[in-house]
Amino acid sequence: AQSVSQHNHHVILSEAASLELGCNYSYGGTVNLFWYVQYPGQHLQLLLKYFSGDPLVKGIKGFEAEFIKSKFSFNLRKPSVQWSDTAEYFCAVKEGGSYIPTFGRGTSLIVHP
Amino acid sequence: DTAVSQTPKYLVTQMGNDKSIKCEQNLGHDTMYWYKQDSKKFLKIMFSYNNKELIINETVPNRFSPKSPDKAHLNLHINSLELGDSAVYFCASSQDGLGTANTGELFFGEGSRLTVL
Repeated sequence: AQSVSQHNHHVILSEAASLELGCNYSYGGTVNLFWYVQYPGQHLQLLLKYFSGDPLVKGIKGFEAEFIKSKFSFNLRKPSVQWSDTAEYFCAVKEGGSYIPTFGRGTSLIVHP
Repeated sequence: DTAVSQTPKYLVTQMGNDKSIKCEQNLGHDTMYWYKQDSKKFLKIMFSYNNKELIINETVPNRFSPKSPDKAHLNLHINSLELGDSAVYFCASSQDGLGTANTGELFFGEGSRLTVL
């Protein structure tokens, strides 16, 4: 069965620090990849997605992610975080033949001003 | 205009009671879902309906009964509430759930926080 691993469960950074959150999955075929963000007390919102084409995907609020097929990874990056980026971040992967995406367990990001 | 809306946003109730959460989407999507998010933020799929037909029913106690009167609505009724049912319940929708156009992109509602005392 498909699995999605987010190795960093809790990340604490100061403002202006760079961010990289890891996401690895286990399926070897065609995948659609997503990062969602959940701000405190709010619902999940799509940050960015990858279906095909350029493996470097740019999303909202300065976030980007890179799909590395050989490493089964889709890491999320931001060069300089802000206090307002404090949130829970979820990676999700939908394999070609499946009906719904599989979510990782989430990474809690706290950014200190 | 909220794309996926849930009511109520907060629900506090006693053990043993029955409660319902309603969800509506105005995106014209064919497929709707219920997810449960526990206190550790883990998201677990509970049910999915495509055009009013149940297509996913994960190992959820039969105290939980989803109902989809039409493809724009998916309600969740919970009987005999237990302490462990306390969580945030998210409704979501997607386009073409069963078709090849299904990208897996989900649109979430704002969540309904259920607290069972």
